[in-house]
Amino acid sequence: TQLLEQSPQFLSIQEGENLTVYCNSSSVFSSLQWYRQEPGEGPVLLVTVVTGGEVKKLKRLTFQFGDARKDSSLHITAAQPGDTGLYLCAGAYSGAGSYQLTFGKGTKLSVIP
Amino acid sequence: DAGVIQSPRHEVTEMGQEVTLRCKPISGHNSLFWYRQTMMRGLELLIYFNNNVPIDDSGMPEDRFSAKMPNASFSTLKIQPSEPRDSAVYFCASSLSAARAQHFGDGTRLSIL
Repeated sequence: TQLLEQSPQFLSIQEGENLTVYCNSSSVFSSLQWYRQEPGEGPVLLVTVVTGGEVKKLKRLTFQFGDARKDSSLHITAAQPGDTGLYLCAGAYSGAGSYQLTFGKGTKLSVIP
Repeated sequence: DAGVIQSPRHEVTEMGQEVTLRCKPISGHNSLFWYRQTMMRGLELLIYFNNNVPIDDSGMPEDRFSAKMPNASFSTLKIQPSEPRDSAVYFCASSLSAARAQHFGDGTRLSIL
């Protein structure tokens, strides 16, 4: 069973602060996705990273894929209350079925106005 | 565009009762996934269909769980008999193909008393 660890589990910050959350595995990902989930809703895809070392930006969110494709980070600049939610990473592992995504348990972010 | 539609949104029933969860995937998507989300275990894949055919049901916890996809626009997940430990949020997701981004419904929050 592949394990995907996310940290921190919980994060509470003031509006305007920066933050980084992490996603780590001991195995190599063929690709990795980040989702955001708001209460009472399903996860919504933010980004997919595929290439080691890849950096993608989505407004104030910066996603980085580790060179070895075993880890990823999400950095949020000047957090806003609207960023509040559960951030999930999901990895597709080399050798597994192409449909199989292993989800981390998520980082629950609260941005306080 | 309509997203993935799940019903009911909430279900509260007594243990031993049969529970049926329903999902309408996005039109044109040929892959459908059922997940279960709990605080302890996060998001877990229960079963994956491709072109209405079950490909991987290794995540289905017990024989009490069954899933069907009689056509491209409808799937059900059935629990019979239900038990309190089945309480969770159940999500349906669909994608254009197995390796593409998954689009989630808003889930069914199931409580078994």
